[in-house]
Amino acid sequence: DVKVTQSSRYLVKRTGEKVFLECVQDMDHENMFWYRQDPGLGLRLIYFSYDVKMKEKGDIPEGYSVSREKKERFSLILESASTNQTSMYLCASLTQGAGANVLTFGAGSRLTVL
Amino acid sequence: GENVEQHPSTLSVQEGDSAVIKCTYSDSASNYFPWYKQELGKGPQLIIDIRSNVGEKKDQRIAVTLNKTAKHFSLHITETQPEDSAVYFCAGSLGHDMRFGAGTRLTVKP
Repeated sequence: DVKVTQSSRYLVKRTGEKVFLECVQDMDHENMFWYRQDPGLGLRLIYFSYDVKMKEKGDIPEGYSVSREKKERFSLILESASTNQTSMYLCASLTQGAGANVLTFGAGSRLTVL
Repeated sequence: GENVEQHPSTLSVQEGDSAVIKCTYSDSASNYFPWYKQELGKGPQLIIDIRSNVGEKKDQRIAVTLNKTAKHFSLHITETQPEDSAVYFCAGSLGHDMRFGAGTRLTVKP
């Protein structure tokens, strides 16, 4: 089974701080994703990466950046955290098969910005 | 781009009853429709999926139906159990571009 590990389950940061959220997958997948989960809004795509050093903006990239220096690791960066970035962040890795693309999610990182 | 709408946002049923969650999508090119279940403190996990060339798929107590003409698909859970209580997300996708609904919080009362 694919395993996706998010290193921080809960973080509390102050406005203006730089925040790193780390995600590691163990299946040599090319495609990795960062989603933000908010009540009533579902899962919204922030960024995805289809290979090392390659990235694409999702629906809500403003205020975020990403880094993919190694295939197994995909990091989400908040350059200057703001209170409206308080949320649950989910990392996912994609298994591409015959007719199906299955996302495996990490357990999530709940970020509170004070 | 794709837009997926999901209803209801909350659903409460008695144990043993059936539960139905409905989704609509906007992009007729979408060809893959997965359903994810998120239990408390965990990330979403795939429970069932359906491709656009299939009208219905069943896996034990859960089933999914797809109406391509109307662009809607539904999740059916029969004989609900307390462990079915979770948040359920539908999604529509074309390739790796996957869009999720807002989620349905299902509560199964014992």
